[in-house]
Amino acid sequence: DQQVKQNSPSLSVQEGRISILNCDYTNSMFDYFLWYKKYPAEGPTFLISISSIKDKNEDGRFTVFLNKSAKHLSLHIVPSQPGDSAVYFCAARSVRNSNYQLIWGAGTKLIIKP
Amino acid sequence: GAGVSQSPSNKVTEKGKDVELRCDPISGHTALYWYRQSLGQGLEFLIYFQGNSAPDKSGLPSDRFSAERTGGSVSTLTIQRTQQEDSAVYLCASSLRQGQETQYFGPGTRLLVL
Repeated sequence: DQQVKQNSPSLSVQEGRISILNCDYTNSMFDYFLWYKKYPAEGPTFLISISSIKDKNEDGRFTVFLNKSAKHLSLHIVPSQPGDSAVYFCAARSVRNSNYQLIWGAGTKLIIKP
Repeated sequence: GAGVSQSPSNKVTEKGKDVELRCDPISGHTALYWYRQSLGQGLEFLIYFQGNSAPDKSGLPSDRFSAERTGGSVSTLTIQRTQQEDSAVYLCASSLRQGQETQYFGPGTRLLVL
């Protein structure tokens, strides 16, 4: 049972345009969401997060939107740059999970075309 | 070092052999996590250590898997009698304390069981 779903295995975007990465979840008890970025042969690195009490969080070129009623969040990257090419993971934390375990999506590979 | 380190970076072994994977977390981080990422899949939680508390082993896939964390720092993940389905990237992450959502990942160990 996949509680966090990233339905697009890959996404190709032109440099300078907006990249939109999507994530859906099923567990209404999730209270905190994170996006991680992963380059080949490296571990994931934290990118941006959002609490369930907010619907938007912005950090430079990166903005995360949360739609709780739809159980959907998205990561917007504007403008997209070649260095943004990586695999992006969505992760969620359950407020009932005392070990603060994160539940992860399968990832979306973003390719920025020059 | 400044980040989480893991060794070896790559490991090729024969089916039925035992392997040990090592993780050095960021100094001062009390929480340590092991994950596994199989090809095309998201991160699968394996085990979690928090300080001197008993570890959360709920993610270990079988009794062939075990982990230790000595002195609240270095951790070793052991897989006994390896099977081909154990082939994956094994990632270690640490965080400053329990409840801090941002986890810092090492580069991973790529395990291939022939």
